[in-house]
Amino acid sequence: GAVVSQHPSRVICKSGTSVKIECRSLDFQATTMFWYRQFPKKSLMLMATSNEGSKATYEQGVEKDKFLINHASLTLSTLTVTSAHPEDSSFYICSARTVTDTQYFGPGTRLTVL
Amino acid sequence: RKEVEQDPGPFNVPEGATVAFNCTYSNSASQSFFWYRQDCRKEPKLLMSVYSSGNEDGRFTAQLNRASQYISLLIRDSKLSDSATYLCVVNPGGGAQKLVFGQGTRLTINP
Repeated sequence: GAVVSQHPSRVICKSGTSVKIECRSLDFQATTMFWYRQFPKKSLMLMATSNEGSKATYEQGVEKDKFLINHASLTLSTLTVTSAHPEDSSFYICSARTVTDTQYFGPGTRLTVL
Repeated sequence: RKEVEQDPGPFNVPEGATVAFNCTYSNSASQSFFWYRQDCRKEPKLLMSVYSSGNEDGRFTAQLNRASQYISLLIRDSKLSDSATYLCVVNPGGGAQKLVFGQGTRLTINP
């Protein structure tokens, strides 16, 4: 299957700092990428849909100024958690959609905010 | 009502057993359906798509009942490596092609 990478895989930061997470589709171009968040023992929750060359579409309840998304190329989307707080600690996963509408997931980024 | 509902389990079954998972979805206009598998602290991986006619992939059989808005997954001759959380996933339609995830069913296969 298609390959999606995420970087970093794990990050620990102090409260108030900003953290950038990268999502790359390695062997295909993705006009649409998705960002999810998963808390322990909970389901994945879609945060936003990232569209190449345009503004991201955020799900209800997700603050766009808190979670900045940039999709500058067909193979790269970034999620920046601004002024992170302990309640933002979570597992952040991206996915990229192929032309056949299949979504492949990145390996995830585990964020811990102290 | 949740968009996608699953029995969270956990299911504990002996190796070699047959196990079945069920899932219901609330949006009758939903377009496509999937089962994903997620191992602990890992990303979800596509197990199989689910078609109205039912489909089989080795030991795995998936079925969809659109009238009842019900999806199932059957695992035959279970292996230790089948231990994971199984996620029922629905594309509710619309241009964005978003996916909605159930909370997952935790399965443990015991030797």
